[in-house]
Amino acid sequence: DTAVSQTPKYLVTQMGNDKSIKCEQNLGHDTMYWYKQDSKKFLKIMFSYNNKELIINETVPNRFSPKSPDKAHLNLHINSLELGDSAVYFCASSPGMGEEQYFGPGTRLTVT
Amino acid sequence: GENVEQHPSTLSVQEGDSAVIKCTYSDSASNYFPWYKQELGKGPQLIIDIRSNVGEKKDQRIAVTLNKTAKHFSLHITETQPEDSAVYFCAASLLSGGYNKLIFGAGTRLAVHP
Repeated sequence: DTAVSQTPKYLVTQMGNDKSIKCEQNLGHDTMYWYKQDSKKFLKIMFSYNNKELIINETVPNRFSPKSPDKAHLNLHINSLELGDSAVYFCASSPGMGEEQYFGPGTRLTVT
Repeated sequence: GENVEQHPSTLSVQEGDSAVIKCTYSDSASNYFPWYKQELGKGPQLIIDIRSNVGEKKDQRIAVTLNKTAKHFSLHITETQPEDSAVYFCAASLLSGGYNKLIFGAGTRLAVHP
């Protein structure tokens, strides 16, 4: 019954590793997003996909690579993890660009 | 540049009092202003939004006002309850590269004391 789901909820890994976070929405929305929330709770958009096409890429290091296999899924792969990547990552979706966004429960990534 | 300022950063009220959170934005072309509530360990939840063609919107104990001339908008919560305690975020849409994205304020931590 979950609208926007993410896996895993928690991810603890060492520097230099590669990891992926998965996101799925069952709302039938066309647009999906990845946000990063730092330790001070600041929310910043990273990527946006509309109908599987990359629309927004916000000066994110190219170690971060999103992939949208279909409209309902948007995954985030991170290479060569660094300490500064530790944060909570949220997936969101909306019916279209500029419309109300619905967030997933978040993935807390800790890099040691 | 793109910027949304939110005040206050923390707000403490007694149960039953009203709470007001204010945001200002910099892009006069912004036309969509949502408010989100984030409880501990959860994702932000949309609680109310307003578009630039209206000045006020109300949903039970929550209301949002928008002043496009001054480029500011506010969230009003009346008859606060302990379960209203959370971090609240305002956001404003920004047209970038032909597409809208949301710029978020830094958040307000609201504590409602019984």
